[in-house]
Amino acid sequence: KNEVEQSPQNLTAQEGEFITINCSYSVGISALHWLQQHPGGGIVSLFMLSSGKKKHGRLIATINIQEKHSSLHITASHPRDSAVYICAVIDGNQFYFGTGTSLTVIP
Amino acid sequence: EPEVTQTPSHQVTQMGQEVILRCVPISNHLYFYWYRQILGQKVEFLVSFYNNEISEKSEIFDDQFSVERPDGSNFTLKIRSTKLEDSAMYFCASSLGTALYGYTFGSGTRLTVV
Repeated sequence: KNEVEQSPQNLTAQEGEFITINCSYSVGISALHWLQQHPGGGIVSLFMLSSGKKKHGRLIATINIQEKHSSLHITASHPRDSAVYICAVIDGNQFYFGTGTSLTVIP
Repeated sequence: EPEVTQTPSHQVTQMGQEVILRCVPISNHLYFYWYRQILGQKVEFLVSFYNNEISEKSEIFDDQFSVERPDGSNFTLKIRSTKLEDSAMYFCASSLGTALYGYTFGSGTRLTVV
């Protein structure tokens, strides 16, 4: 049973395309994180959301608490955006991770 | 920008040996975490630590594992008698507060048990 489901699992895009990665969860939520894992393995925290929408550069994250759904959007995608994007839901002190979406942006 | 530092970046150990993975969290952060990621699998929560004690741990974090903040700056994860299935990338993270604060992750220690 996966408490956090991401889609798609794999995504290939042409440079410049608009990208959406989805995350649905079945647990309660205190906060939701979007993480980026680089090919070398390092993890960077992109966003922490508890409601609404956040924007940072070309990245936009939204969350709908009622629908238990979050999306990560990348505008004007670039090859350097190629990474695994992980959705992580925090319910109190419990942490639930999605399996990640592997994004490849082709020049 | 402040960083979470993990050492070593890669450790190879024999099955049955004890290993200690080290992390230096960001200095004013109060909450500390260990996660692991077995190759090809999703990230898994191991343990959270606050006020010098474990605040939450997962089923994975059994008696083989222990954490310590020995000197106010380091945060260590000890695996007492390593098994082959302990081979994974181990990530340390820290945060200023609880869930509503952002987390900063270290770059990970790749543990290989042979």
